[in-house]
Amino acid sequence: QSALTQPPSASGTPGQTVTISCSGSSSNIGTNYVYWYQQLPGTAPKLLIHRNNQRPSGVPDRFSGSKSGTSASLAISDLRSDDEADYYCAAWDDSLSGPVFGGGTKLTVL
Amino acid sequence: QVQLQESGPGLVKPSQTLSLTCTVSGASISSGTYSWSWIRQPAGNGLEWIGHIYTSGGTKYNPSLKSRVTMSRDTSKNQFSLELNSVTAADTAVYYCARIPDYDTFTGYYNVIDFWGQGTLVTVSS
Repeated sequence: QSALTQPPSASGTPGQTVTISCSGSSSNIGTNYVYWYQQLPGTAPKLLIHRNNQRPSGVPDRFSGSKSGTSASLAISDLRSDDEADYYCAAWDDSLSGPVFGGGTKLTVL
Repeated sequence: QVQLQESGPGLVKPSQTLSLTCTVSGASISSGTYSWSWIRQPAGNGLEWIGHIYTSGGTKYNPSLKSRVTMSRDTSKNQFSLELNSVTAADTAVYYCARIPDYDTFTGYYNVIDFWGQGTLVTVSS
């Protein structure tokens, strides 16, 4: 049981916009930044979004993040086949004094 | 650019101790506004924070693993290490080392991982 709740799967067709949700609590998302990662098979997670909605250099602006209260979401616009991956949200948890993660969402591009 | 690289045995016997080292380049583990963390991911599953070591050398562990975990560092080599004792098959996972920026002093919000190592698979089996 992950501390942050994500849908296990999402899908879309090329060119569409897909949104992945992440739900937490007042001890994590409610009071700290949300980060998003993309994980391709057999590789380490790659930082996509930091501090709720900031993109590191090199991440396309097709990826955007938002946060409201104890929930956050990742939007991927103009979906491409190479966006197929697992996506994880994460946030610091004040009760744990460490990071907590969502269970991951497997994105399929149909 | 910060780089992290895990190293250590890929196979550990049950009841023994898992030992991994993370070598950091492009940043100092003993200065700056970061902590240095271990995360693991069992096959087909999600991510679990194990613990982290601060630039001061202090440590913080996940309560679920605290009784079995020790983290340490060698500042002369810019390395930090993980020891997990009394391992079982449930400890089989890909282990990642990672960097966490300190909290934002302006907002009071904490950050999580910004750089990851490539990961190393550790299998617990006799």
